Amino acid sequence: EIVLTQSPDTLSLSPGERATLSCRASQSVDSNQLAWYQQKPGQAPRLLICGASTRVPGIPDRFSGGGSGTDFSLTISRLEPEDSAVYYCHRYGPSPRTFGQGTKVEI
Amino acid sequence: QGQLVQPGVEVKKPGASVKVSCKASGYPFTTYDINWVRQATGQGLEWMGWMNPNNGGAVYEKTFQGRVTMTRDTSTNTAYMELSSLRSEDTATYYCVRGAIYFSGSGTRNYGMDVWGQGTTVTVSS
Repeated sequence: EIVLTQSPDTLSLSPGERATLSCRASQSVDSNQLAWYQQKPGQAPRLLICGASTRVPGIPDRFSGGGSGTDFSLTISRLEPEDSAVYYCHRYGPSPRTFGQGTKVEI
Repeated sequence: QGQLVQPGVEVKKPGASVKVSCKASGYPFTTYDINWVRQATGQGLEWMGWMNPNNGGAVYEKTFQGRVTMTRDTSTNTAYMELSSLRSEDTATYYCVRGAIYFSGSGTRNYGMDVWGQGTTVTVSS
């Protein structure tokens, strides 16, 4: 089973700053299977990025993803107050389709 | 775009079963996988398994094997997740989620879960 470990657990930043979230896999992951989700309190998660770096329609371009193999990242270039949320990486491939434990971004 | 609608709340006693429904609309139901993800209060996301609505085939995460069954009714475009032998640790919000494929500029197929139900809160308590 591939384990995804996210860091840091919590990121506290100010509006306009840049956030970089990390997702490390215990084994190599095909880039086309790595996705990122945003979850705000009381809401279902929302898909931001799939294929490690492909932003899905409707997601602002301040969100970008990158990485390959075992190391992936999500960058929010200019934080806005509405970006306060928990962010999860996820491997959508052969079972089990595991999630990282999440990174909380506080603004 | 698509929508998945779930009931809001289920309350069950330990040892009982719960069957959560997930009604799809706005897209061809049999074309997209349905995943089930649960989340205990204040905790992270836990993937439970997925089902192919076209043929009814399902794959379950080993933690749930033997207790979970995922089915569908194509006449009503509804997916179901039944979890048996409930215990207090199963208290959580259960989401059905559509699996999707997005194509990059180079034509690569990229996978993600793009439509989420609003979640069903299942409380297991005596």
